[in-house]
Amino acid sequence: EDKVVQSPLSLVVHEGDTVTLNCSYEVTNFRSLLWYKQEKKAPTFLFMLTSSGIEKKSGRLSSILDKKELSSILNITATQTGDSAIYLCAPTSGTYKYIFGTGTRLKVLA
Amino acid sequence: DAGITQSPRYKITETGRQVTLMCHQTWSHSYMFWYRQDLGHGLRLIYYSAAADITDKGEVPDGYVVSRSKTENFPLTLESATRSQTSVYFCASRTDTEAFFGQGTRLTVV
Repeated sequence: EDKVVQSPLSLVVHEGDTVTLNCSYEVTNFRSLLWYKQEKKAPTFLFMLTSSGIEKKSGRLSSILDKKELSSILNITATQTGDSAIYLCAPTSGTYKYIFGTGTRLKVLA
Repeated sequence: DAGITQSPRYKITETGRQVTLMCHQTWSHSYMFWYRQDLGHGLRLIYYSAAADITDKGEVPDGYVVSRSKTENFPLTLESATRSQTSVYFCASRTDTEAFFGQGTRLTVV
């Protein structure tokens, strides 16, 4: 059975802190892993990772995939209150089926 | 407007009633999905569709029916609503690299 575990489940930090969010997965026929940010509405796309060891960056956010360890991390540096959200990872099983984790709820205090 | 839209945004219904949630996308993406999001469970796949007239079950299909007579529409029907189907429902469509989510439908079954 496909499984995705995200940790920590929730996290409270202060503005300026750096956070690391973890995603571990066991899925059949793994193709890629996606990260999404969800505020009070629909998830919005952050990154798609397909190759191990290649970091993807977007501003203060970065992410990397480790296919050997079946895991990925999402880093956020110099956090801001606008980063408060639920962060979801979703490895794909086969060509189209996303399996979502329960997410990490991040709260950034001013 | 381009994008993926869901309707209604909010719905309250009674146990035993049939309810249909609508999803429409303007991109002509082949793949479309229905998820439900509940506290502690993250996003769980209900049904997906690879193309018009092709649908398949996801993780939690019981109690739901879908159809896809046209590429752009993917309605989800609860045949006889139960309280356990109270949830937020997201429709999504995808390209090769990412999924796009509708704004969600908050359904309450009383």
